Amino acid sequence: DAGVTQSPTHLIKTRGQQVTLRCSPKSGHDTVSWYQQALGQGPQFIFQYYEEEERQRGNFPDRFSGHQFPNYSSELNVNALLLGDSALYLCASSLRGARELFFGEGSRLTVL
Amino acid sequence: AQTVTQSQPEMSVQEAETVTLSCTYDTSENNYYLFWYKQPPSRQMILVIRQEAYKQQNATENRFSVNFQKAAKSFSLKISDSQLGDTAMYFCAFFLNDYKLSFGAGTTVTVRA
Repeated sequence: DAGVTQSPTHLIKTRGQQVTLRCSPKSGHDTVSWYQQALGQGPQFIFQYYEEEERQRGNFPDRFSGHQFPNYSSELNVNALLLGDSALYLCASSLRGARELFFGEGSRLTVL
Repeated sequence: AQTVTQSQPEMSVQEAETVTLSCTYDTSENNYYLFWYKQPPSRQMILVIRQEAYKQQNATENRFSVNFQKAAKSFSLKISDSQLGDTAMYFCAFFLNDYKLSFGAGTTVTVRA
């Protein structure tokens, strides 16, 4: 049973560029959440997707957007990258209504 | 908004000994969930233990146990018989019915051989 998988594992971008991160949820899970974890800090909630719609959103600007596909996989897009967007981006999946989240290993984004 | 505070940035413990990590949180809600997650250098966040606020009994998972004090809004984690593989960053997290986790800043635990 595959867990949550994310790609790419590492990537480097320059300021102003755009990035897309991908997540495949754990088998049987229908809800995907994204978190941003700056170095040495706890993860911060970005948004959650269920039934292909954004259901909850944290305090992140519109430069951060996402998508969920019919197979429940998800993408996180960040436009006009800033140096401060450098972080580990974690994807978590769950069953709708469940209290336990399963996390992937994250995508490490470095913005130069 | 819910806030989670972990006041210990780093803890060091000798192998086979016990270490306790502290966590406090702030909420006006009565029904919620609390978690401890472990994040080793591999980066994957792993659930260690969970506690439902309506349960008075403290949760236990093998060598990991919690001391949940609802009135004091305190949720500490005790790691007994520490092992080298316990070396990781530990996060306390709060989960309300809005389906998002609010994390503390984390405590780095180092187990010494």
